Amino acid sequence: KNQVEQSPQSLIILEGKNCTLQCNYTVSPFSNLRWYKQDTGRGPVSLTIMTFSENTKSNGRYTATLDADTKQSSLHITASQLSDSASYICVVSYNAGNNRKLIWGLGTSLAVNP
Amino acid sequence: DSGVTQTPKHLITATGQRVTLRCSPRSGDLSVYWYQQSLDQGLQFLIQYYNGEERAKGNILERFSAQQFPDLHSELNLSSLELGDSALYFCASSTNPSGKNYEQYFGPGTRLTVT
Repeated sequence: KNQVEQSPQSLIILEGKNCTLQCNYTVSPFSNLRWYKQDTGRGPVSLTIMTFSENTKSNGRYTATLDADTKQSSLHITASQLSDSASYICVVSYNAGNNRKLIWGLGTSLAVNP
Repeated sequence: DSGVTQTPKHLITATGQRVTLRCSPRSGDLSVYWYQQSLDQGLQFLIQYYNGEERAKGNILERFSAQQFPDLHSELNLSSLELGDSALYFCASSTNPSGKNYEQYFGPGTRLTVT
């Protein structure tokens, strides 16, 4: 069964600290993995898209890693800011005929406190 | 601003009623997706249209229906509403969903409250 699991479910850190969010997936055939940031009550915004051959991808203070062998990904946030408080969602895309489908994780809720 | 617009922003209605949510995709995007997000839940994919035709179906109830018009805007119709239908409904658009790294751009959502 195609699944995406994220951990931790929620996380509280102090402003300026680093943190790492995890995503494990059992999706086949794998196409790519995305990380989204969703502020409360707003639509998700893409942070990174990683394909099978990419191990690391950065977007400012966000760095995503992908281990296609172990089917794990992580999102590392450096020098957190209050505005990083949001839900971070891991999404895995797989091939389904002539279309690509997405499996959405439930997200990690991050709170950055001053 | 993603370029995807959704109306209305908020909607309050009673059980048993019917509502229509509207979405305009980004200029040039042919594909529209509808998602439901209940309180503290993940996004649930409902349905996808591509250039006017249904492309994929997710966990969409029979009481719900959608369509994409020739001008590419889309409407999601929710009927016989129940309390459990209260949620945020997001629309997203993309260019070519067959492309390997196609990007989905999300609208601001419509918050539906059923009382």
